[in-house]
Amino acid sequence: NAGVTQTPKFQVLKTGQSMTLQCAQDMNHNSMYWYRQDPGMGLRLIYYSASEGTTDKGEVPNGYNVSRLNKREFSLRLESAAPSQTSVYFCASFRKTHGELFFGEGSRLTVL
Amino acid sequence: EDQVTQSPEALRLQEGESSSLNCSYTVSGLRGLFWYRQDPGKGPEFLFTLYSAGEEKEKERLKATLTKKESFLHITAPKPEDSATYLCAVQGARSNDYKLSFGAGTTVTVRA
Repeated sequence: NAGVTQTPKFQVLKTGQSMTLQCAQDMNHNSMYWYRQDPGMGLRLIYYSASEGTTDKGEVPNGYNVSRLNKREFSLRLESAAPSQTSVYFCASFRKTHGELFFGEGSRLTVL
Repeated sequence: EDQVTQSPEALRLQEGESSSLNCSYTVSGLRGLFWYRQDPGKGPEFLFTLYSAGEEKEKERLKATLTKKESFLHITAPKPEDSATYLCAVQGARSNDYKLSFGAGTTVTVRA
């Protein structure tokens, strides 16, 4: 079982460049999330999608956009990357019956 | 705003030396408190969900307990493979769509 798959795993960008992080889940979950993780700050929610066709802002949405392409896929786009967006990004999907988030392995982004 | 504070930030244990991690939270009505384990370079992995004060859950050497203001993760007779960062998260009553607020984590190192 693949679970939650994120690509790419590593990326280096220059300030002002754009890129899209891809996420796919094969567990038929309705809800999907994008978090960023920075040292000493824990996981912070960027955007989420409660179901196919809907997206909503989380705690730190500025500088990001998302697309829920279908039930399986939820992408995160940085239109003009800034050094403050250097972080580890995690995609997750939610299994309602157990109150359980399933995370991908993360995408490590460095913005120079 | 829901807040989660974990202590200590880091914990170094000798194999077999039991200890506890603390998670203090502030929420307007707790829907659920969650514990996750995160290994270096990996995404968080679900451990437990607790829903009400007095509830306890166990898994191997780990036991999670919940009061109205905090949760404890007890590690009994730890082994080196228990070394990881342990994350606590809460879902408050105002948080729809299963949005969780995470603490910064406690990094546990168990020496043989």
